[in-house]
Amino acid sequence: LAKTTQPISMDSYEGQEVNITCSHNNIATNDYITWYQQFPSQGPRFIIQGYKTKVTNEVASLFIPADRKSSTLSLPRVSLSDTAVYYCLVGDGGANAGKSTFGDGTTLTVKP
Amino acid sequence: GAVVSQHPSWVICKSGTSVKIECRSLDFQATTMFWYRQFPKQSLMLMATSNEGSKATYEQGVEKDKFLINHASLTLSTLTVTSAHPEDSSFYICSGRGSTDTQYFGPGTRLTVL
Repeated sequence: LAKTTQPISMDSYEGQEVNITCSHNNIATNDYITWYQQFPSQGPRFIIQGYKTKVTNEVASLFIPADRKSSTLSLPRVSLSDTAVYYCLVGDGGANAGKSTFGDGTTLTVKP
Repeated sequence: GAVVSQHPSWVICKSGTSVKIECRSLDFQATTMFWYRQFPKQSLMLMATSNEGSKATYEQGVEKDKFLINHASLTLSTLTVTSAHPEDSSFYICSGRGSTDTQYFGPGTRLTVL
């Protein structure tokens, strides 16, 4: 099972772009990379998922290098409401889905 | 995106009683559902994995007789905490996975055992 490592915390200011990197050195061939956002006392909310290269949706971009041993979540122009814990999850969604272990996550604090 | 609901959102019970938490996938069929537990300021810990119509698979250290999981349909899974004690107080979160390789999480249930 791929173990993930993220920075424990990050600070930013409103309007800035934030990049959060996750290391997953032992990612398997079938593994996808998924990022979630969690607010206090709420369940994690799906942000974005990718397998390789770059994925973009209406809220974020996900950059995955060719070796897939890391990934970077990019949040453009953050606001105060983006203050939350962000988790990257690595798993194949198949037989081992859910076996993807949640790491400690990154606590992002956006300041005015 | 896919929506998962949980009921109740919070529950307070006396020590020794049992509590049932429901998890429903509202707009997709969840062939697999997962139950997590999260203590304050900690990450999510997977408790068990359940596939519709099959017995749940529990993670090491999770007592299957204490945390009963039923996944009777493609849209409903239940977690029953039997003979709850104060140390079972936690935030319980379920997730569902359907045809895509993505987990969608419920809003969580706050259990407080007095």
